[in-house]
Amino acid sequence: QSVLTQPPSVSGAPGQRVTISCTGSSSNIGAGSDVHWYQQLPGTAPKLLIYANRNRPSGVPDRFSGSKSGTSASLAITGLQAEDEADYYCQSYDSSLFVVFGGGTKLTVL
Amino acid sequence: EVQLVQSGAEVKKPGESLRISCKGSGYNFATYWISWVRQMPGKGLELLGRIDPSDSYIHYNPSFRGHVTISADKSISTAFLQWSSLKASDTAIYYCARSTDYRDYDDYWGQGTLVTVSS
Repeated sequence: QSVLTQPPSVSGAPGQRVTISCTGSSSNIGAGSDVHWYQQLPGTAPKLLIYANRNRPSGVPDRFSGSKSGTSASLAITGLQAEDEADYYCQSYDSSLFVVFGGGTKLTVL
Repeated sequence: EVQLVQSGAEVKKPGESLRISCKGSGYNFATYWISWVRQMPGKGLELLGRIDPSDSYIHYNPSFRGHVTISADKSISTAFLQWSSLKASDTAIYYCARSTDYRDYDDYWGQGTLVTVSS
């Protein structure tokens, strides 16, 4: 059971918009800790997708966006493409535990 | 170009020791923390700990303290993850990654090292 809760899976058709939630608590996201998001394509290392809640590293398409409110955060992907099919993880700092990851969400492009 | 290059896959028996490495290039190795992340087969990501190569200060995930040892040698821009006595449950892919702070995100990742522990 991860400290940060993500849905195990989400799906969407090409061109659609999907969101992935990351629910934490008062010891991590609710305490003001930033949330970061990673994309892991099959058989590859994770890649930083969003940092500090809503910032995109250079090279990440603006189809990817992040937000944070209260004890939760969300990753939104618009204009869904087949190449977006991957596992997505949120990450934050927990004052009781250290840096923690969400359990991961598998995105399927229908 | 920032790169983190990890050592190759390992196959070990339970009880054996092991050290894997992660060499950084394209940046000042001493000015960024190095993370070690475990991914067990078919599972999610778990942060084992982070080390500051400038002084070898380490933050361990409490769940892994005592079972793994993290170290670094800034003179060769390399970080290490080691076990003194492997278990079958240590079978996983281990990634190193670069972080700006012990509480922060990981912006560059190594390619991963597969460790298989089997009798």
